[in-house]
Amino acid sequence: QVQLVESGGGVVQPGGSLRLSCAASGFTFSSYGMHWVRQAPGKGLEWVAFIRYDGSNKYYADSVKGRFTISRDNSKNTLYLQMNSLRAEDTAVYYCAKETLAFGGVIVDYWGQGTLVTVSS
Amino acid sequence: DIQMTQSPSTLSASVGDRVTITCRASQSISSWLAWYQQKPGKAPKLLIYKASSLESGVPSRFSGSGSGTEFTLTISSLQPDDFATYYCQQYNSYPIFTFGPGTKVDIK
Repeated sequence: QVQLVESGGGVVQPGGSLRLSCAASGFTFSSYGMHWVRQAPGKGLEWVAFIRYDGSNKYYADSVKGRFTISRDNSKNTLYLQMNSLRAEDTAVYYCAKETLAFGGVIVDYWGQGTLVTVSS
Repeated sequence: DIQMTQSPSTLSASVGDRVTITCRASQSISSWLAWYQQKPGKAPKLLIYKASSLESGVPSRFSGSGSGTEFTLTISSLQPDDFATYYCQQYNSYPIFTFGPGTKVDIK
């Protein structure tokens, strides 16, 4: 069965950096685009970043563009999110999510359990 | 950018009630809309995609409808397991996704 396991969250000071990882199993990781989605405490879901199955295309939300970098290592079945210049408003649970093609469109069908990032001094 | 709104933001209902949640897009998204259910401390769960297609394993009391800019999620007979927050999400602008602000369904 599909499993996505995030790690790397924690407490970091404003301006600091953190790298999140997402270990994938139960599917052919190298065949699927992947996303990061976050959720601030008590708030809704916010899409953060996307990477194509082969790593050739990447997209970012305006709120993280220039500070966050999504990447993947298909040989290790792992997705990453490098977060630099962190701000208090980046505090959130970060989910990695797998996409799939469904009836001509692409949806997220599996989510990890999330990892909490807290930006605080 | 496509903006998504949902109404109501909170809905109080009883077991057995028929519940309807509305989602609106700021521009036409055809039928590229999904609905997710999220319980506290858990990841979202896909319920509906392409506005009205039921994800495998999701109970048939859940249904979706709409196209263009207005969509609804209906729970025909609310069950205890259905008390949760529901999010709509557009994927017309793939790979950029936009979520609605959520509708919390709680016990009346």
